[in-house]
Amino acid sequence: KQEVTQIPAALSVPEGENLVLNCSFTDSAIYNLQWFRQDPGKGLTSLLLIQSSQREQTSGRLNASLDKSSGRSTLYIAASQPGDSATYLCAVLGSGSRLTFGEGTQLTVNP
Amino acid sequence: DTAVSQTPKYLVTQMGNDKSIKCEQNLGHDTMYWYKQDSKKFLKIMFSYNNKELIINETVPNRFSPKSPDKAHLNLHINSLELGDSAVYFCASSQRATGANVLTFGAGSRLTVL
Repeated sequence: KQEVTQIPAALSVPEGENLVLNCSFTDSAIYNLQWFRQDPGKGLTSLLLIQSSQREQTSGRLNASLDKSSGRSTLYIAASQPGDSATYLCAVLGSGSRLTFGEGTQLTVNP
Repeated sequence: DTAVSQTPKYLVTQMGNDKSIKCEQNLGHDTMYWYKQDSKKFLKIMFSYNNKELIINETVPNRFSPKSPDKAHLNLHINSLELGDSAVYFCASSQRATGANVLTFGAGSRLTVL
């Protein structure tokens, strides 16, 4: 059974810092890995999707990497801003279109 | 033009009541899902339907009954609501049931049971 773990559970940084969020998964037989953002009381916003054959994806200040063999992904956020404050969720897609989520990292960027 | 729409967005009800949450997608996808996000923000799959047929049924109390009248709709009916059913329920859809899919999520329906 796939398990997804995200570290740290919470992170508070001053504005302008570069930061890394970590995600690990136990079963490397995945189709893709996705990073989502969730603002308080809101739905899920897809940030980056990495297919199993890819190593990384970039969008603006965000860069996500995938090492399928070791079961790890990182989300790198450059030059963090207060507007980046949210919960970041990692999810892996396995067989039967079963998307398994981690518990999220709650990020606070202080002005 | 919302791709995956859920109604209602908020639902407050008493214990023991029966309620439904509706979901519709206009993406032409074959597969739809219900996910539950509990108070600890953990998202977990409940059900999946492919072209109106149930394909994923996690360990969910049988008070929860999904219904898919057609492949664009997946409704969730909950009988005899309990306090622990309070959560945010997310609907999602994907083009197909297998392979490298991308799931599109609705905005969520927040259920509060008093």
